Amino acid sequence: NAGVTQTPKFQVLKTGQSMTLQCAQDMNHNSMYWYRQDPGMGLRLIYYSASEGTTDKGEVPNGYNVSRLNKREFSLRLESAAPSQTSVYFCASSIPDRRPYGYTFGSGTRLTVV
Amino acid sequence: AQSVAQPEDQVNVAEGNPLTVKCTYSVSGNPYLFWYVQYPNRGLQFLLKYITGDNLVKGSYGFEAEFNKSQTSFHLKKPSALVSDSALYFCAVRDIGDRDDKIIFGKGTRLHILP
Repeated sequence: NAGVTQTPKFQVLKTGQSMTLQCAQDMNHNSMYWYRQDPGMGLRLIYYSASEGTTDKGEVPNGYNVSRLNKREFSLRLESAAPSQTSVYFCASSIPDRRPYGYTFGSGTRLTVV
Repeated sequence: AQSVAQPEDQVNVAEGNPLTVKCTYSVSGNPYLFWYVQYPNRGLQFLLKYITGDNLVKGSYGFEAEFNKSQTSFHLKKPSALVSDSALYFCAVRDIGDRDDKIIFGKGTRLHILP
């Protein structure tokens, strides 16, 4: 089925470890986004990529890096995980150059840093 | 900068009664407005959007929302609630002038439909 695929679905890290969250979409969308969801905080934008080859910071970029590998894939990297990064991470994609349909979201990655 | 406020953390409604989930927004220009729903352990699903035109927007699962420019509100409504409507609801806004299509989300309102 067409959509946004995130891997892994669950991950437990120790403080200081690194990992990469993967996101891929097969809808030929230009723009991709990474959000984190925390209780009582809603969704906060970490980084986004308006088009292939570009990335920009969102509201809460500290502690993260991203790579727009190609049009389909947008990865989020935690270089040195901290307990404050325990969260649910969502990837989304959209076509900004058309009348906005809103985003298509992946099913999320639940990350726990101990 | 754009922002969204959902003043209620939780809304409880008896099954069969009408429901309203409130949302107000702030943008520098004109808004695109969205409602999303999240069921437990799932991603967000699109419900409806306001782009332009009729202030009353109809969406999925019998939901509708009314855009009120003077009150900068976009409340979500349904005439008759179902237990299956229980979920977390997010209001979101994008400034029409934002070419990067960044959408800002509210903190969410948990809707409980009581049998």
